[in-house]
Parts: sequence; C-alpha cells; structure tokens
Amino acid sequence: QQQVKQSPQSLIVQKGGISIINCAYENTAFDYFPWYQQFPGKGPALLIAIRPDVSEKKEGRFTISFNKSAKQFSLHIMDSQPGDSATYFCAASEGSNYQLIWGAGTKLIIKP
Amino acid sequence: NAGVTQTPKFQVLKTGQSMTLQCAQDMNHEYMSWYRQDPGMGLRLIHYSVGAGITDQGEVPNGYNVSRSTTEDFPLRLLSAAPSQTSVYFCASKPFGTAYNSPLHFGNGTRLTVT
Repeated sequence: QQQVKQSPQSLIVQKGGISIINCAYENTAFDYFPWYQQFPGKGPALLIAIRPDVSEKKEGRFTISFNKSAKQFSLHIMDSQPGDSATYFCAASEGSNYQLIWGAGTKLIIKP
Repeated sequence: NAGVTQTPKFQVLKTGQSMTLQCAQDMNHEYMSWYRQDPGMGLRLIHYSVGAGITDQGEVPNGYNVSRSTTEDFPLRLLSAAPSQTSVYFCASKPFGTAYNSPLHFGNGTRLTVT
C-alpha cells in the first residue's frame, strides 16, 4: 500500500528527444507527488511537484502528467539535453504526513 | 548560505568500528532526517527529527543512533559497522509543515565503505 513503483530503472535518450519516466502508487490517500533530480556526487533536489487536483503541471521543458483513476504519474522531459543526464526520483506523501515514500530511481542518460 | 553540510564526504571503516556522520543546516529547519541510498532501492529513511530533543525511527533504523540537541545539528552514529551498511548517506532538512509547502533540502552525501 505504501509503495511507489518507478520505471524504467535506466533510460537512454538522444539529444532533442522526449524522456518519459513513470510511477505508480496504491495508496489513494497520497496527495502530493514530487519529482527530485540528482546529479552525480550531489544530493537530490526538488524538480517539480503536483497535487491530484490537476492533471498536468509544466515548468519549462519538464511536465508532470497525473492520472488519478489509474494511480499513475509521469515525468516528461521535452527536448532532452545532455545536462538533463541525472537520476530522477518520484515520491508521494499523504496529507500532513511529511514523510515521502520514494520510488527506486531512474538513471537518465542523454546522448549528444 | 551553506544549506545542509555533511562531513566527511568519504569514509572507510573496518567491521565493528564505530563512527559519527555529521550533518548541520543553517536554515533554521525544524525537520531533519537521514537517508541511505543503495542502487535500485531508492532512498530509505533511517531516522528523523521534528525538533531539538525529538527523534524517531524511519524504515531502516537498526544499527544506527541519532540525537538532536540543537536545531542545527543532527549526527548519525554507527555503533558497530557492518558491510551491509556500505552505502551513500544523505542528510535532509525542511521547515516543519506539510510536504507540499516545504521541499526537502539535501546535503551532498557521505560515501561509506565498510570492509
């Protein structure tokens, strides 16, 4: 019930392409879904987040798509660049519970 | 503004040794936490604290101790290191409140190897 399942584990995309990372959850009480980005040798940092009252949120080239009925959310990176190469984590939390439940991470490589 | 500072960056221990991983934040955040990151397993919560003098266990607390005597510092102690504790350890902090209003701020990690 508490798990967040993330796929794929790794992803290679050509420069200029679209990178898509998917996450699925079971707990319908989750109401906050962030994505964190981690570069090698650094800690994760918040990239973008969504609440379930909207189906999509866009910030620059990064978009979260949210499907409440399917209990899935995904990160889309448009016009992927080599600088986007990083590990991406999805996560979820419930209400006033400040603990995040994390996906296993996706290592994204953008080939020039 | 330094944010969250972790020391050391790298550490090698022998089985059975003890050590303390340091974490300090200068943002006056009430909430602090320790995670370990292992390949394919994401981030797993070890211990957390919602304020000075208050600590609680996370998902994988065995073999680790914490204390929180000040708002700024949250050290993680390994009592008797085991090879299974080889990992990258991250400290994170946030202002107290719901997750939506206050994202986690991470340090740059400590890479620990236990031989």
